[in-house]
Amino acid sequence: NAGVTQTPKFRVLKTGQSMTLLCAQDMNHEYMYWYRQDPGMGLRLIHYSVGEGTTAKGEVPDGYNVSRLKKQNFLLGLESAAPSQTSVYFCASSYARVRTDTQYFGPGTRLTVL
Amino acid sequence: SQELEQSPQSLIVQEGKNLTINCTSSKTLYGLYWYKQKYGEGLIFLMMLQKGGEEKSHEKITAKLDEKKQQSSLHITASQPSHAGIYLCGADKVGNNNDMRFGAGTRLTVKP
Repeated sequence: NAGVTQTPKFRVLKTGQSMTLLCAQDMNHEYMYWYRQDPGMGLRLIHYSVGEGTTAKGEVPDGYNVSRLKKQNFLLGLESAAPSQTSVYFCASSYARVRTDTQYFGPGTRLTVL
Repeated sequence: SQELEQSPQSLIVQEGKNLTINCTSSKTLYGLYWYKQKYGEGLIFLMMLQKGGEEKSHEKITAKLDEKKQQSSLHITASQPSHAGIYLCGADKVGNNNDMRFGAGTRLTVKP
């Protein structure tokens, strides 16, 4: 199993450009998450999905959109990138979101917005 | 909102020394997770604690959740260079199983 994979690993954008980050998992997990990690702030949840076709807002959803058309994929979109969105983005998945479940993380995507 | 404070922010220890990292919550913790992150990589799950007074160990790493369920500690015995990385605590957001909060992390350096 590859686990959780993310593409691309690195990306540089100019302000106003758009892009989509792809997260894929091969563990048949129902739940998927997108986080951003910034220095001194830990990880913050952007959006999450509790199943195919569903999405929900997390702690910092503004400026991002997501889609979960297939169970194994969770896409994070930036329609008009801003320098404040420079960050490392992590995708995670879990089988179920009960208190004993654990999240499995991808390797991250380092995004720089100039 | 529930905040998780980790201390210290960074730690440098000599190989073979013991160390402790703390995670303190402003609210009761219903699920406390410890993760390790190596630079440039994703998070690796270490342990999860639920019950007050619970203690779990994996190899040389021990995590505890205090009786009041508002503080957890991660203790590493006889540290090795392989223990180096960023340790993060995470907790379920109260009232929302689908939302998780993380501490800012503790950066551990182990000098050989």
